[in-house]
Amino acid sequence: DAGVIQSPRHEVTEMGQEVTLRCKPISGHNSLFWYRQTMMRGLELLIYFNNNVPIDDSGMPEDRFSAKMPNASFSTLKIQPSEPRDSAVYFCASKPGLAADTQYFGPGTRLTVL
Amino acid sequence: DAKTTQPTSMDCAEGRAANLPCNHSTISGNEYVYWYRQIHSQGPQYIIHGLKNNETNEMASLIITEDRKSSTLILPHATLRDTAVYYCIVRAANFGNEKLTFGTGTRLTIIP
Repeated sequence: DAGVIQSPRHEVTEMGQEVTLRCKPISGHNSLFWYRQTMMRGLELLIYFNNNVPIDDSGMPEDRFSAKMPNASFSTLKIQPSEPRDSAVYFCASKPGLAADTQYFGPGTRLTVL
Repeated sequence: DAKTTQPTSMDCAEGRAANLPCNHSTISGNEYVYWYRQIHSQGPQYIIHGLKNNETNEMASLIITEDRKSSTLILPHATLRDTAVYYCIVRAANFGNEKLTFGTGTRLTIIP
């Protein structure tokens, strides 16, 4: 099993630029989650999808953040425009379905906004 | 979901059992106790979960008190690779309640 794949692993950008983070869930998993981890706030759920449909985006910090899941094997988290306070590690996780117990996390993308 | 309280940090000698406590005194009847861990620079990893009975798998054992107000995660023979932050999470098993609320966790250091 390849596990959850995230790209890029590291991203450094300048304030105001658009940033796109990518996630490929485990094959056959129907639920996908985006988290953000910072020292100040810990690990926070931003949004999750089931069968490619966004179910709960109440954790998305503001309109600069958007997430899509065009098909079962790909999701993006976009920040436009980026700000220094968006610097964090962004994790994607997937699980077989909403009834499943275990979320499988990817290795994360470390984002630095200068 | 109920709040959990964990010690900030713990040390354990390599080869010994590591016992990580968690307090969840406001837990409701339909809420499960989950444990995840996060090794440095990696994503969180599921360990085990339970409702009221003790559970054991290849990674760990979970002991839940009879009143369910606290639990203990046991790593029976800790190795250096078990050094990580361990999160105790309480979550209701309702459809649509997918939020895992990660607190600050316990930073476990295994000492050679």
